[in-house]
Amino acid sequence: DAKTTQPPSMDCAEGRAANLPCNHSTISGNEYVYWYRQIHSQGPQYIIHGLKNNETNEMASLIITEDRKSSTLILPHATLRDTAVYYCIVRSSNTGNQFYFGTGTSLTVIP
Amino acid sequence: NAGVTQTPKFRILKIGQSMTLQCTQDMNHNYMYWYRQDPGMGLKLIYYSVGAGITDKGEVPNGYNVSRSTTEDFPLRLELAAPSQTSVYFCATTGWDKNIQYFGAGTRLSVL
Repeated sequence: DAKTTQPPSMDCAEGRAANLPCNHSTISGNEYVYWYRQIHSQGPQYIIHGLKNNETNEMASLIITEDRKSSTLILPHATLRDTAVYYCIVRSSNTGNQFYFGTGTSLTVIP
Repeated sequence: NAGVTQTPKFRILKIGQSMTLQCTQDMNHNYMYWYRQDPGMGLKLIYYSVGAGITDKGEVPNGYNVSRSTTEDFPLRLELAAPSQTSVYFCATTGWDKNIQYFGAGTRLSVL
């Protein structure tokens, strides 16, 4: 699976959009981009995933660049409860269903 | 519907002791996983299972054993606890939608 690079930490004002970047320049054609988050030592929680089209669900939006070498997770109106570590994972659906978590981005939402 | 249940929540072991971390799921999922998370780090895969009777090693299997005799249960065994095994252990499952992993609340283990 391709490697991802994320900034170690970010801040965001409450109520504003949080934009979390992820670089995955070695991504291959059959690899998806996944985002999970982990709130204060709880188990990670699935947010969203996509292949090449932009995706939106009730939690967030995922924007993938046309060359697929990077992506951005957008939390449209960040709340204090969105303070967490966010993991960007690139994975092929054929690789035994294993997810490889890096160190992620620690997002702090500021009141 | 409890999802993924891990017991115990906390445990302190002495060096050389053994213990079993329990993981039970009621979602009828085939795939189950054990991860460990050291302070300030991401999760590392220890073992996983694609169904009852089938297990395989992940990134960091040394010092651990697993079994999968039923769909519901996937216990993780530490035979000779070492300080390097101090960590938080998470169990997870995936079902027919292999894109989503569901995690338990974790077991916090200290080996002293």
